[in-house]
Amino acid sequence: GAVVSQHPSRVICKSGTSVKIECRSLDFQATTMFWYRQFPKQSLMLMATSNEGSKATYEQGVEKDKFLINHASLTLSTLTVTSAHPEDSSFYICSARTGDFSEAFFGQGTRLTVV
Amino acid sequence: GESVGLHLPTLSVQEGDNSIINCAYSNSASDYFIWYKQESGKGPQFIIDIRSNMDKRQGQRVTVLLNKTVKHLSLQIAATQPGDSAVYFCAENWYSGGGADGLTFGKGTHLIIQP
Repeated sequence: GAVVSQHPSRVICKSGTSVKIECRSLDFQATTMFWYRQFPKQSLMLMATSNEGSKATYEQGVEKDKFLINHASLTLSTLTVTSAHPEDSSFYICSARTGDFSEAFFGQGTRLTVV
Repeated sequence: GESVGLHLPTLSVQEGDNSIINCAYSNSASDYFIWYKQESGKGPQFIIDIRSNMDKRQGQRVTVLLNKTVKHLSLQIAATQPGDSAVYFCAENWYSGGGADGLTFGKGTHLIIQP
């Protein structure tokens, strides 16, 4: 299957700083990528849809000014958590789909800890 | 195997037995469903998918059943192995006509394989 690579896998940052997470599709082009957040022992929650060359679409309740998404190319989307706070500590996962009715391929996830 | 009631977070089965994991989905308009396996600290891994025009699909050791009347999805794993221990999520998607869409995930079931 297709490969989605996410970096870094773990990051610890101080409260008030910003953190950037990268998501790359290694062997296919993804015009659309998705960002999810997962708290411990909970399910994945869709945060936003990242569209190549245009603005991201955010789910209700997700602050677009806090979670900046950039999809600069067909193989790269980035999520920047700005002015991070301890409550932003979570597991962030990106995914990409090759089209409708196709499976979504997931990155390895990024464990963010804000101290 | 043991049939699991909806919303039970943990299912424990003996190695070699069959297991059945159940999921209730929310949107009657959903037309594509996927089962994912997630091991601790990793992103979801695709297991099997099914479209709404089908009620059963088989893979290697896995079978997915779809009952659209009651909005119910199940995953059957035959002859469970220790490596099957993980959290299993069902995910649903409905075709919006605007391209690839994000998935809505169920709550998840933690499958534990007893030696």
